[in-house]
Amino acid sequence: NAGVTQTPKFQVLKTGQSMTLQCAQDMNHEYMSWYRQDPGMGLRLIHYSVGAGITDQGEVPNGYNVSRSTTEDFPLRLLSAAPSQTSVYFCASSYRVFTEAFFGQGTRLTVV
Amino acid sequence: AQSVTQLGSHVSVSEGALVLLRCNYSSSVPPYLFWYVQYPNQGLQLLLKYTTGATLVKGINGFEAEFKKSETSFHLTKPSAHMSDAAEYFCAVSVIERQGAQKLVFGQGTRLTINP
Repeated sequence: NAGVTQTPKFQVLKTGQSMTLQCAQDMNHEYMSWYRQDPGMGLRLIHYSVGAGITDQGEVPNGYNVSRSTTEDFPLRLLSAAPSQTSVYFCASSYRVFTEAFFGQGTRLTVV
Repeated sequence: AQSVTQLGSHVSVSEGALVLLRCNYSSSVPPYLFWYVQYPNQGLQLLLKYTTGATLVKGINGFEAEFKKSETSFHLTKPSAHMSDAAEYFCAVSVIERQGAQKLVFGQGTRLTINP
């Protein structure tokens, strides 16, 4: 059972480049979310989805885009990378928002 | 909107001593409350959760937390610290808002250090 799989684990981007962070889960969870983790700021919610075809903004959505075409996949797109987006990104999934969340291993992104 | 405040970004205790990590929340609707732990270079994993019912919740690895509505608190405790408890701990609240938003929101985290 793979759980939540994030790719890539590490990425270096130049300012202005775009990229997609991949997230897939095999637990048939309805709720999926993306967070960024920065020192001293905990995890901040970027976007979330309550099911296929439904997404909504979290606390820090600017500069990021998401879509949810299937239950399993929830990719996060950086439209035009900026140094302020240097962070560790975590994808999580749960059956519902109030049930246990399972996290991927994270993607460490550096924007230069 | 809901929010979570963890008091103390770093807590240091001796092995065998009581662990107390503080968490206060704000929410306009009844909350679901969680504690997660993160070991170095890993994702988060659930320690325990409060949904409804008994206000004292027991989790894995000997941790427990008490939901106090009057104090809007959900502090995490462990009677006797072990070296393997060294990690970062996150308090989180999930709320289904009347407008339909469903969010799981985390506090800033508390790094727990255990001294031999």
